[in-house]
Amino acid sequence: QLQLQESGPGMVKPSETLSLTCTVSGGSISSSSYYWGWVRQPPGKGLEWIGSIYYSGSTYYNPSLKSRVTISVGTSKNQFSLKLSSVTAADTAVYYCAPHSSGYYSYFDYWGQGTLVTVSS
Amino acid sequence: EIVLTQSPGTLSLSPGERATLSCRASQSVSSSYLAWYQQKPGQAPRLLIYGASSRATGIPDRFSGSGSGTDFTLTISRLEPEDFAVYYCQHYGSSPFTFGPGTKVDFK
Repeated sequence: QLQLQESGPGMVKPSETLSLTCTVSGGSISSSSYYWGWVRQPPGKGLEWIGSIYYSGSTYYNPSLKSRVTISVGTSKNQFSLKLSSVTAADTAVYYCAPHSSGYYSYFDYWGQGTLVTVSS
Repeated sequence: EIVLTQSPGTLSLSPGERATLSCRASQSVSSSYLAWYQQKPGQAPRLLIYGASSRATGIPDRFSGSGSGTDFTLTISRLEPEDFAVYYCQHYGSSPFTFGPGTKVDFK
């Protein structure tokens, strides 16, 4: 059973880059079974898919964030990462890492506990 | 992009009652690639239903999903105290994956 843990700074200044890492246990980041995704949730609001990466390195992003997002895989430590540039207060949210399969199975059946990132000077 | 609308925004019910939650898509969701999640305060979402009607592992049979095309329903046959939470629908048939705004089921 997959277990996921997000880590990174809890506060980022406006205009800077938000960087988070998700550490995966119970499975390999190099597995062809999963895409490795990020979802966020502003306080008191709904869920927004940010993007996903396959072990091969292929990525797809939400068009609403695409210009600012980079997701990458670090196979040596069974981790994958999120970078979101030029952040504003609107990027304040709980960020979850959540893998998914492909096609009919592209739902999010595992989630990290989430990490709150606040954008503030 | 498929936009999902959920209704009602809040559903006030008592334990033992039946809950019927609606999710409507702005265009047809291919092959019923529609999921439902439950979220409690301070917790990550939990997958309940995928493929519009298939229960995820360990989900009690009081939860059921139905629908196709643009109209989907999550039914909780008899509410248990632990079922009071926010419920989200999500389509995953094509990118971008999108979520509905959620329905909160609270105590009457």
